[in-house]
Amino acid sequence: GQNIDQPTEMTATEGAIVQINCTYQTSGFNGLFWYQQHAGEAPTFLSYNVLDGLEEKGRFSSFLSRSKGYSYLLLKELQMKDSASYLCATMDSNYQLIWGAGTKLIIKP
Amino acid sequence: ETGVTQTPRHLVMGMTNKKSLKCEQHLGHNAMYWYKQSAKKPLELMFVYSLEERVENNSVPSRFSPECPNSSHLFLHLHTLQPEDSALYLCASSPTPTGGGEKLFFGSGTQLSVL
Repeated sequence: GQNIDQPTEMTATEGAIVQINCTYQTSGFNGLFWYQQHAGEAPTFLSYNVLDGLEEKGRFSSFLSRSKGYSYLLLKELQMKDSASYLCATMDSNYQLIWGAGTKLIIKP
Repeated sequence: ETGVTQTPRHLVMGMTNKKSLKCEQHLGHNAMYWYKQSAKKPLELMFVYSLEERVENNSVPSRFSPECPNSSHLFLHLHTLQPEDSALYLCASSPTPTGGGEKLFFGSGTQLSVL
């Protein structure tokens, strides 16, 4: 079956770095997405990886290894506003999105 | 003005009520979606519309009835819901319904409570 695994909750300190992992098993692969969702708000797009490697976008970076079925989202110089849920989703061979349950990130001062 | 607008933000209804959720997108997209988000569970795709035609229905109970009168508007009509239907209902849009790298634009959702 198709499955996405990511930690339920993580805690980090303001100013630090945190890595949120996502492992997947899907029928085919057409890319992996990360979305950010603040409590009570809409999920918003962060990144899309379809090739192996690291893509950096300001304080946020996303990494993909297709052979390992693994991705991570790296957040640097954490700010209080980064407290949110981070959703990992892959696109399978039929271009259907398979979602993880999300990782709730708590930032402490 | 936000790209995807959902109303109402919150809804409490009894199991015998009939209500409708509304979604409007101002992005000129051709695909619109309804998702269900329950606590600590993955997003569940309910319906997909492309150019006002339903292209996917993921075995959703008939007590949920979608309507897409035009490419900018999407409704979800609710009737005789069950308490387990309580969740956040998210609307989303994208330029096209399929294709690699197409990101979704979500509304803020309707938090539904069924008593």
